[in-house]
Amino acid sequence: KAGVTQTPRYLIKTRGQQVTLSCSPISGHRSVSWYQQTPGQGLQFLFEYFSETQRNKGNFPGRFSGRQFSNSRSEMNVSTLELGDSALYLCASSLEGRPWDEQFFGPGTRLTVL
Amino acid sequence: AQSVTQLDSQVPVFEEAPVELRCNYSSSVSVYLFWYVQYPNQGLQLLLKYLSGSTLVKGINGFEAEFNKSQTSFHLRKPSVHISDTAEYFCAVSGNRDDKIIFGKGTRLHILP
Repeated sequence: KAGVTQTPRYLIKTRGQQVTLSCSPISGHRSVSWYQQTPGQGLQFLFEYFSETQRNKGNFPGRFSGRQFSNSRSEMNVSTLELGDSALYLCASSLEGRPWDEQFFGPGTRLTVL
Repeated sequence: AQSVTQLDSQVPVFEEAPVELRCNYSSSVSVYLFWYVQYPNQGLQLLLKYLSGSTLVKGINGFEAEFNKSQTSFHLRKPSVHISDTAEYFCAVSGNRDDKIIFGKGTRLHILP
């Protein structure tokens, strides 16, 4: 069974631009969560999607948005990029997104904002 | 609200020595507890989880953790580490009433030759 895939793996953007990251979950998984990982803050939860609906949201500004498609694939978008958005963005999928479900993580997209 | 504290940001240990990575949590509801590992340039991978039942949980790669409700702790242990255990380890908690999982800030395990 293929794991969680994320594209692209690396991205360099400049301040003010926008970016779209993609995540393909494990086949059969309906929940997709996104996290921002930085050395100082660790993993911070961005949002979770289940059956094309945002079910949970973290404390990030509205510049961060996402969506999920009918095949469970998910995208996240960051508009008006800031230097502080430089981070590793991780996507994780699980069967149903229940509190006890194991999350399967992708390798991440490393975003650098110049 | 739930929170997780990993008391050590870095832990150096000699190869073949035992190691304990500490994790404390706070929650007002029943919890599910997890340890994930992140190897360099990779995503996170589940090591073990506590859902209910026996407080001693065994995971992959020889790791185990003990759930201590009175001390609100879930420390991770391994009796003998190898160079391949070099990684960052994350403790995480989730609860019944909130689907969101909360991660600690991570502990970097450095294996010394």
